[in-house]
Amino acid sequence: EVQLVESGGGVVQTGGSLRLSCAASGFTFDDYAMHWVRQPPGKGLEWVSLINWDGSSKDYTDSVKGRFTISRDNTKNSLYLEMNSLRADDTAFYYCVKTIWGSTAFDFWGQGTMVTVSS
Amino acid sequence: SSELTQDPAVSVALGQTVRITCQGDSLRSYYASWYQQRPGQAPVLVFYGEDNRPSGIPDRFSGSSSGDTASLTITGAQAEDEADYYCNSRDSSGNPVLFAGGTKLTVL
Repeated sequence: EVQLVESGGGVVQTGGSLRLSCAASGFTFDDYAMHWVRQPPGKGLEWVSLINWDGSSKDYTDSVKGRFTISRDNTKNSLYLEMNSLRADDTAFYYCVKTIWGSTAFDFWGQGTMVTVSS
Repeated sequence: SSELTQDPAVSVALGQTVRITCQGDSLRSYYASWYQQRPGQAPVLVFYGEDNRPSGIPDRFSGSSSGDTASLTITGAQAEDEADYYCNSRDSSGNPVLFAGGTKLTVL
């Protein structure tokens, strides 16, 4: 059974930092690109970042470029999102997501971890 | 970058058929994927690609595409189908992944 379990969310002040983690199990982790998707409370889904299977290729939505860093450790079956210079509009549930190989279809989602940025 | 657009809200009578649409230029080149999100839960993939339904998804969910518009059809809507539905696709410019704003489906 595929499981994605996020952790590391919490309340942080504007300008602060957080590191999200996602522990993956139930599939061959290093066969797949992984993504972070976020959802502000009561609003829609927003793609945040992706990393390819070996970490050699990464991409980010424009609003987080230069502030967020995605990484993975295939020896630990883990995905990470380092978030710096946090702003109020980064407040959201952050989901760790697995894709179907070669597509942008997200077939498994974690339960999400909430990040609240307050002043 | 491109955009994907959905109607904010749609309603359907219990047992009837409803179509939820997603429109955008990227859909001329890439297939859409569809997600169901019930309140307080993570999204669930319900349809993707040309004709793919994940294991465990009822066959009343189907998808189609024409030109710049993708559609998710629920044939014989059930009370448990009341949820938010999102589409996404690849983007040929800007971000590699696009999400539309979502459609709130009400089953009457």
